[in-house]
Amino acid sequence: QSALTQPASVSGSPGQSITISCTGTSSDVGSYNYVSWYQQHPAKAPKIMIYDVSKRPSGVSNRFSGSKSGNTASLTISGLQAEDEADYYCCSYAGSSTVVFGGGTKLTVL
Amino acid sequence: EVQLVQSGAEVKKSGESLKISCKGSGYSFTGYWIGWVRQMPGKGLEYMGVIYPGDSDIRYSPSFQGQVTISVDKSISTAYLQWSSLRASDTAMYYCARTSSITTFDYWGQGTLVTVSS
Repeated sequence: QSALTQPASVSGSPGQSITISCTGTSSDVGSYNYVSWYQQHPAKAPKIMIYDVSKRPSGVSNRFSGSKSGNTASLTISGLQAEDEADYYCCSYAGSSTVVFGGGTKLTVL
Repeated sequence: EVQLVQSGAEVKKSGESLKISCKGSGYSFTGYWIGWVRQMPGKGLEYMGVIYPGDSDIRYSPSFQGQVTISVDKSISTAYLQWSSLRASDTAMYYCARTSSITTFDYWGQGTLVTVSS
């Protein structure tokens, strides 16, 4: 299975909103509501930000939201803050007990 | 508090074997799948597979099937990832993570850096 497609980089100014897309196929993102998003700061372990497309774990800021349309999932971060600067990865179930990650997106807060 | 604590960094030579560990605490270890994720230097996350400590059910990613072995010792709440013959291309950070649903890796270990020299 191929990795999900994410933009290599996105940027925004403090206070703005940004959206990171995650494009898969009808065999993964398009078929299941099992899409999650992870934030990874340099030299740190990933942290879950969104699961099951749009659910937010306890403790994650409500500035983070997720959605899906067809074969594309999206992560939106509103009210950008300097601490949001990190790499972001999407993840989807791809059937037959396997899972696929996106290639990752580097978010720069200008 | 849920914690996953991984074994320390390893430096090995090509052809050597290796087994790294991931010890869970603060939750019912047998009630959640544990997954393994690879991150090669400067690259993204790659799903390797998962194991259910309750009955040792294992699911491998097709990309890693036959390349690694995932196991568990539920008596000591520890999952393992092992190689029988390392290659330089196995050089990476390896993370374990608790899986509360198929793509929900909700708690992560700190990572184990494996360096393989040729």
